[in-house]
Amino acid sequence: DAGITQSPRHKVTETGTPVTLRCHQTENHRYMYWYRQDPGHGLRLIHYSYGVKDTDKGEVSDGYSVSRSKTEDFLLTLESATSSQTSVYFCAITVTGGYEQYFGPGTRLTVT
Amino acid sequence: EDQVTQSPEALRLQEGESSSLNCSYTVSGLRGLFWYRQDPGKGPEFLFTLYSAGEEKEKERLKATLTKKESFLHITAPKPEDSATYLCVITSYGKLTFGQGTILTVHP
Repeated sequence: DAGITQSPRHKVTETGTPVTLRCHQTENHRYMYWYRQDPGHGLRLIHYSYGVKDTDKGEVSDGYSVSRSKTEDFLLTLESATSSQTSVYFCAITVTGGYEQYFGPGTRLTVT
Repeated sequence: EDQVTQSPEALRLQEGESSSLNCSYTVSGLRGLFWYRQDPGKGPEFLFTLYSAGEEKEKERLKATLTKKESFLHITAPKPEDSATYLCVITSYGKLTFGQGTILTVHP
């Protein structure tokens, strides 16, 4: 258990509304990641962070923004949700000195 | 471009029937190959890291092996609780590339 929590765990929202998902870690790891998982596409990287206020884009970053004002929290924001952003979102961390990532429990987001 | 291909897409076994899952990969500079288990509605759970050809790792009924082109996840005498999706992931210079996964179902 890498001490990762995600909130909310489930959310239903309407097209055009803003949505923020939160990832919280308890062990002060430097690297944090946001992924989405969709049938037929597997896990795809949205954004990642390598420190407070240090973030970069992944392969599917359009329509998403992130912020990291504290080491323990990494926020993913959908500024104006679309139906194509209906997905399961996972947060992950890399333990210092390693390459493997440890994943949170996920947030299931439905955009109607 | 780094690529990971897992086979088969789905595998059905009887309890106690041993088998293997395959992960073929192409990469420019492998830093590590990971196996994860994912249960429905949950996040991927880390199982193993393999770093170089010839390396093997074991955990209970699971054994992972690595060659220069592929990795195998051997499941010995599986039980119904081994049913899950198994993901193969490679890393090269900080970037992870995920396979599509193999859905394993073990019937009692």
